[in-house]
Amino acid sequence: DSGVTQTPKHLITATGQRVTLRCSPRSGDLSVYWYQQSLDQGLQFLIQYYNGEERAKGNILERFSAQQFPDLHSELNLSSLELGDSALYFCASSVRSGQGADTQYFGPGTRLTVL
Amino acid sequence: EDQVTQSPEALRLQEGESSSLNCSYTVSGLRGLFWYRQDPGKGPEFLFTLYSAGEEKEKERLKATLTKKESFLHITAPKPEDSATYLCAVYNQAGTALIFGKGTTLSVSS
Repeated sequence: DSGVTQTPKHLITATGQRVTLRCSPRSGDLSVYWYQQSLDQGLQFLIQYYNGEERAKGNILERFSAQQFPDLHSELNLSSLELGDSALYFCASSVRSGQGADTQYFGPGTRLTVL
Repeated sequence: EDQVTQSPEALRLQEGESSSLNCSYTVSGLRGLFWYRQDPGKGPEFLFTLYSAGEEKEKERLKATLTKKESFLHITAPKPEDSATYLCAVYNQAGTALIFGKGTTLSVSS
């Protein structure tokens, strides 16, 4: 158990819908990262937050957005869903902002299925 | 371009048959190389961090080593419970995100 929690574990929805994925980092960690894992692309970085502020963006679609709240939990919002958005979504956390070489600890993931 | 390449894609071993997994990387200014284990449908589980060439770390049957261009994960006398996908990652040049290889899927049969 990494100490990172994610809800829900599974999410099944239809094309065009909007969903919210939630992540709670390990106690004491200020950075949260979101990754997408699909069969053909592997693990891809989406976005990073540090202490409530967006720090870096990766290959995140404009239909996707995220935020980190004062209690440090984070939410990833996916809208206008398409079949290709079906994937595993992971949250990871680390102590600092990622400018160093912090180890990232991953949550159990949310499996999103878009029908 | 920052890149991580792992080989082989898949590896089948008999129980007790030792082998090595390879991870080659291209990134300016290595900020650490990370090994994770991932079971199907689960989140990556942290194994090791290596920071400089020549560094080695061990955990049970696993030993990770690092050179200036690649890392190896040596598996000694593997057991069926070692079956998993092993992922290698490095931070991008900006130090803001991990870049992952596609992984090596290890199957150990008894």
